Amino acid sequence: SYEVTQPPSVTVSPGQTVSVSCSGDNLGDKYVSWYRQEPGQSPVLVIYKNNERPSGIPERFSGSNSGNTATLTISGTQAVDEADFYCQAWDSSSLVFGPGTKVSVL
Amino acid sequence: QVQLVQSGPEVKKPGASVKVSCETSGGTFDNYAITWVRQAPGQGLEWMGYIIPVFGTTNYAQNFQGRVTITADKSTSTAYMEVSGLTSVDTAKYYCGRVVRATARPLHYYYYIDIWGKGTTVTVSS
Repeated sequence: SYEVTQPPSVTVSPGQTVSVSCSGDNLGDKYVSWYRQEPGQSPVLVIYKNNERPSGIPERFSGSNSGNTATLTISGTQAVDEADFYCQAWDSSSLVFGPGTKVSVL
Repeated sequence: QVQLVQSGPEVKKPGASVKVSCETSGGTFDNYAITWVRQAPGQGLEWMGYIIPVFGTTNYAQNFQGRVTITADKSTSTAYMEVSGLTSVDTAKYYCGRVVRATARPLHYYYYIDIWGKGTTVTVSS
């Protein structure tokens, strides 16, 4: 079955830019979504179709996908952005989630 | 505003079954799939399966095939997820989500979960 990988954690200083990667074989041929999850809360969609933002998601969230890697970028990171982020793809009629990346703002 | 309303927490003994519901409030689930995702304490999201209610079509993750059954009642816009043969490994929060399928270009689709339920905690303990 198809698998994607993510780094377990990344750290960023307030106001800086952070990127979270999601890697898989020929992932660039698929469409990737990203979800943000705070402790004890349900996941929230932040990016779909590689780089589209749902209404209500700040412009500082952006996405890209090429080759074997999709990337979620948070520009001007704020303390409220501290959360777990999961990438998601679709393969062979199945949803595939990455293992998640904890973004820490320090 | 469409919401997914899930049933309340459950405590079950090992070997028992549990059935969790997910009602689409403020709309119907026509034209969508409903998916179920498990999250064990401190762990990531694990896809379990989905149902396309308008067709009754289901698909399950390999890890859950044979032990999980997903059904839907179109008359009440409610989806159900039943897990049998519970063990301590099944102690987790179970989320339902509404899956959108959209066309990027002819024969190329993209899928994402636009609405999530609040989750149902299932505890398996003797």
